[in-house]
Amino acid sequence: QQQVKQSPQSLIVQKGGISIINCAYENTAFDYFPWYQQFPGKGPALLIAIRPDVSEKKEGRFTISFNKSAKQFSLHIMDSQPGDSATYFCAALQGAQKLVFGQGTRLTINP
Amino acid sequence: GAVVSQHPSWVICKSGTSVKIECRSLDFQATTMFWYRQFPKQSLMLMATSNEGSKATYEQGVEKDKFLINHASLTLSTLTVTSAHPEDSSFYICSAREARHSNQPQHFGDGTRLSIL
Repeated sequence: QQQVKQSPQSLIVQKGGISIINCAYENTAFDYFPWYQQFPGKGPALLIAIRPDVSEKKEGRFTISFNKSAKQFSLHIMDSQPGDSATYFCAALQGAQKLVFGQGTRLTINP
Repeated sequence: GAVVSQHPSWVICKSGTSVKIECRSLDFQATTMFWYRQFPKQSLMLMATSNEGSKATYEQGVEKDKFLINHASLTLSTLTVTSAHPEDSSFYICSAREARHSNQPQHFGDGTRLSIL
C-alpha cells in the first residue's frame, strides 16, 4: 500500500512535443505529491509538487494533473526540449514521514 | 532556495577502507536528514533517517554497523561506510528537511559516487 507505481519506464519524445509520465498510488493518506528531475551523476531536484485538494498545478512548461478518485497523478511537459532529457521520479509523502518514490522514467527528447 | 551540499562527490578506495560522506544543509536548519542509495537505472532506496541528536533509524535490511550515521548538528549529517567492499559501490545521496516545514519534501544533495576496488 506504500508503493507508488510509475510508467512508462522510458519515453522518447520529439522536440516540441508533449511528454507525459503517469503515477498511481494506493495509500489515501498521502497528502503531498512531488516530482523530481535527476540528471546523470546528480541528486534529484524538486520540479513541481501538488496537494490532493487541487486537480492541477502549472509552473511554466510543467503541469501536474491530479485525479484523487482514481488515485493517479501525472506530469506533463509541454514543448519538450532536449535539455529536459533526464530521469523523472514521482513521489508521495504522508505528513512528516518518508518519501515514497516511483520507479523513475528516463525521458529522452530528440532534437 | 534550500541548498544541500554533499562531499565528496566521488571517491575511489581500496577494499577494507572506511569512507565518510558529509551532508550539510547550507542555508537552513535540518532536524531530519535522509540517506539514500541508488543503483544504476534504479530508483532511490532509503537507507536510514537521521534526527539531530538521536540515533538513526535504519530501513529493513540495512546493516547499521556497516553504515554508521551521525547527525551531530542541525546542519551536518555523516555516513561512514565501514570496511567497504566492492558490493558497497554505489551512488549515495543525502537529503534534508527544513526544521520548520516537517510536512514539506526534502532537498537533495548532488550525491557521492563510491567505487571500491
